[in-house]
Amino acid sequence: GAGVSQSPSNKVTEKGKDVELRCDPISGHTALYWYRQSLGQGLEFLIYFQGNSAPDKSGLPSDRFSAERTGGSVSTLTIQRTQQEDSAVYLCASTVGLAVTDTQYFGPGTRLTVL
Amino acid sequence: GNSVTQMEGPVTLSEEAFLTINCTYTATGYPSLFWYVQYPGEGLQLLLKATKADDKGSNKGFEATYRKETTSFHLEKGSVQVSDSAVYFCAHVPHSGGGADGLTFGKGTHLIIQP
Repeated sequence: GAGVSQSPSNKVTEKGKDVELRCDPISGHTALYWYRQSLGQGLEFLIYFQGNSAPDKSGLPSDRFSAERTGGSVSTLTIQRTQQEDSAVYLCASTVGLAVTDTQYFGPGTRLTVL
Repeated sequence: GNSVTQMEGPVTLSEEAFLTINCTYTATGYPSLFWYVQYPGEGLQLLLKATKADDKGSNKGFEATYRKETTSFHLEKGSVQVSDSAVYFCAHVPHSGGGADGLTFGKGTHLIIQP
């Protein structure tokens, strides 16, 4: 079956603009995760969803970041008033269940460049 | 807090050499441990995992043993190939009892295998 997909694959935006990043998890997967990969910070966990609910939003870098998931499937990560330090690859992953032992399957990522 | 420490490299070896990439972690409780690999131009994919102390994960000739006493999960391979050239990430997720959670990653080790 299809893996995790993300769109767009690349996004270039100007500082101050809003951007939306989309993640389609593997069909039937219960949990969905967002990460950020940057040269300076490595791989950082941002937020995860159990179904449509995000139990803990403390990993989001600032209040300019928000995420939602609808219908237990697609998720969007929104960054408002983008800053240059938001430039990174944003990765999405999903797991079949909610056990911490479940394997997280990653998408190819969205490369965000803020000019 | 939770953290993962691994050698960053680059680590350069000749083909058929023995490989060790060290990984140590700090975490509350007994986390599940993972090695992920990112081949050039590709997304993150799970290499192997271990979910309890003394478990050994293995895949594609790679092995790692969950050592609770030394809080380590070192990656080993007896004879590396050029195709093993990639970035390797050690990661853990805590068994907090709250179900799914995000992975904490190390900085990644860039492995270069020369023919």
